[in-house]
Amino acid sequence: NAGVTQTPKFQVLKTGQSMTLQCAQDMNHEYMSWYRQDPGMGLRLIHYSVGAGITDQGEVPNGYNVSRSTTEDFPLRLLSAAPSQTSVYFCASSYAGPQRGAYEQYFGPGTRLTVT
Amino acid sequence: SQKIEQNSEALNIQEGKTATLTCNYTNYSPAYLQWYRQDPGRGPVFLLLIRENEKEKRKERLKVTFDTTLKQSLFHITASQPADSATYLCALDPLDSNYQLIWGAGTKLIIKP
Repeated sequence: NAGVTQTPKFQVLKTGQSMTLQCAQDMNHEYMSWYRQDPGMGLRLIHYSVGAGITDQGEVPNGYNVSRSTTEDFPLRLLSAAPSQTSVYFCASSYAGPQRGAYEQYFGPGTRLTVT
Repeated sequence: SQKIEQNSEALNIQEGKTATLTCNYTNYSPAYLQWYRQDPGRGPVFLLLIRENEKEKRKERLKVTFDTTLKQSLFHITASQPADSATYLCALDPLDSNYQLIWGAGTKLIIKP
């Protein structure tokens, strides 16, 4: 049971490049989400999904796209990288339910992205 | 504005003492509040969850309290050890969030031997 896996662990992009951050979980969780973590700030939700084929925007969705074709995978695409997207990105999963706070979030190890 | 506040300054505690971390919030009426531990270069790891109708929750050396009147949660580590050194995050579910948790920025805890 690998839990939540993320690749790559580190990435450097030039402004304007695009890339996909991969996330997979093997716990059969319906809910998956992407966060970014910046110094001095709490985790901020980028996009989330409550099941295959269903995605929605979080607090900071601009410049990012997601899709959910399977329960296991939830990739995050940066369309045209900008220096403001330099951050650490975490994928998380949990059981789905009407109240997010009732369920433990399982996090991946993170991807450290630098945009120059 | 709605927000969660955790002490941004690192908390230095002598080994063996009790460490107490604070999570304050405004303009929310959360049903749940969660605490996580985050080590450098790693993702957060869930520790405890407390419901609005629970005053206190314990797990081994950890204890969480939840005061909805003061809009505050306290996280205690008793008999602290250097291995407890990490950043601790709180997160709450503000009920009207539609699947979104709101996160504090975390407090760095340093346990000195």
